[in-house]
Amino acid sequence: KAGVTQTPRYLIKTRGQQVTLSCSPISGHRSVSWYQQTPGQGLQFLFEYFSETQRNKGNFPGRFSGRQFSNSRSEMNVSTLELGDSALYLCASRQGVDQPQHFGDGTRLSIL
Amino acid sequence: GQNIDQPTEMTATEGAIVQINCTYQTSGFNGLFWYQQHAGEAPTFLSYNVLDGLEEKGRFSSFLSRSKGYSYLLLKELQMKDSASYLCAVNNAGNMLTFGGGTRLMVKP
Repeated sequence: KAGVTQTPRYLIKTRGQQVTLSCSPISGHRSVSWYQQTPGQGLQFLFEYFSETQRNKGNFPGRFSGRQFSNSRSEMNVSTLELGDSALYLCASRQGVDQPQHFGDGTRLSIL
Repeated sequence: GQNIDQPTEMTATEGAIVQINCTYQTSGFNGLFWYQQHAGEAPTFLSYNVLDGLEEKGRFSSFLSRSKGYSYLLLKELQMKDSASYLCAVNNAGNMLTFGGGTRLMVKP
């Protein structure tokens, strides 16, 4: 079974631009979560989607948004990029709430 | 709010035993997970506790006390490849998974 796939792996943007990251979950997993990981803040929860609905949301500004499609694939969008948005963005999928999250390799976003 | 505390760094010797502690205060509790993350890689699942007690998986064991808001991960017969960050994560009442800052473990020969 294929794992969680994230594209692209690396991305360089400049301040003020916007970016869209993509995540394909493990087949059969309907829950997809997004996390931001930085050396100083660790792994911070962004949001979780289940069956195309946002189920949970972390404490990030409205510039961070996401969506999930009927095939469970998910996208995350960040608008008006800031230098502080430079981070590793990880996507994870799980089969149920009592099941572990399975992580993709992440997208490393650098803002210049 | 959610608060999950772990030591930032630990050092141990190859072949030894190390215990990584995690304390949590969350809005409700629906299980605790431990993950391992090697530098530059994605986190990988190690263990899951939802009831009090010890769960053993080979060289790794995890313990949970819900009344104390406390868990630990025990690594036995340490190997150099165990050098990594270990992340404690709690599922709260809304099933939102919150991670601690992680404990960076360095295993020395």
